[in-house]
Amino acid sequence: AQSVSQHNHHVILSEAASLELGCNYSYGGTVNLFWYVQYPGQHLQLLLKYFSGDPLVKGIKGFEAEFIKSKFSFNLRKPSVQWSDTAEYFCAVIPSNTGKLIFGQGTTLQVKP
Amino acid sequence: GEEVAQTPKHLVRGEGQKAKLYCAPIKGHSYVFWYQQVLKNEFKFLISFQNENVFDETGMPKERFSAKCLPNSPCSLEIQATKLEDSAVYFCASSQSLQGGVTEAFFGQGTRLTVV
Repeated sequence: AQSVSQHNHHVILSEAASLELGCNYSYGGTVNLFWYVQYPGQHLQLLLKYFSGDPLVKGIKGFEAEFIKSKFSFNLRKPSVQWSDTAEYFCAVIPSNTGKLIFGQGTTLQVKP
Repeated sequence: GEEVAQTPKHLVRGEGQKAKLYCAPIKGHSYVFWYQQVLKNEFKFLISFQNENVFDETGMPKERFSAKCLPNSPCSLEIQATKLEDSAVYFCASSQSLQGGVTEAFFGQGTRLTVV
């Protein structure tokens, strides 16, 4: 079955620390890949997306992600986190020829000032 | 409109009552998705539509849940005979496409359903 796995469930960092959140998916075909963020009490917002081309994609607020096809991975990175990055982060995939966006379990990021 | 509009924001139902949630997708978007978020960290896919046609309903509980997207009307998600376990935030999203560069699912603010 198609699935998305996020390795880190809860991450605690100090401000200015670097961030990397892991995401792996299980699907052998073409996929569109996404990272969403959910700030406390708010709805999901798109951070970045990948559908083709340069596997290193840059998103909003200094986030970037790298698609590594051979590893079925799409890890999210940020060189220096801020307190305002405290939120839930979700990796998601739309496998080709399907009608659904499949989410990972989410990662809670807590940034200490 | 320029955003996905979900109504109501909050809904409280007694066990066994019916609950109906609405979603107006962004104008021009062909795809609508419904998700259930029970725990803070889990989005369960329920159903998707391509215009008014069901596109993928592999996540829908068959017995009590139904959904529609009719022309010129908001999409709806209906739960017959609600149970305590249906308490969750239900999110709707819409997308212009499912593949390629224009693919992006825009999410609504959600409807918090509380079954008491």
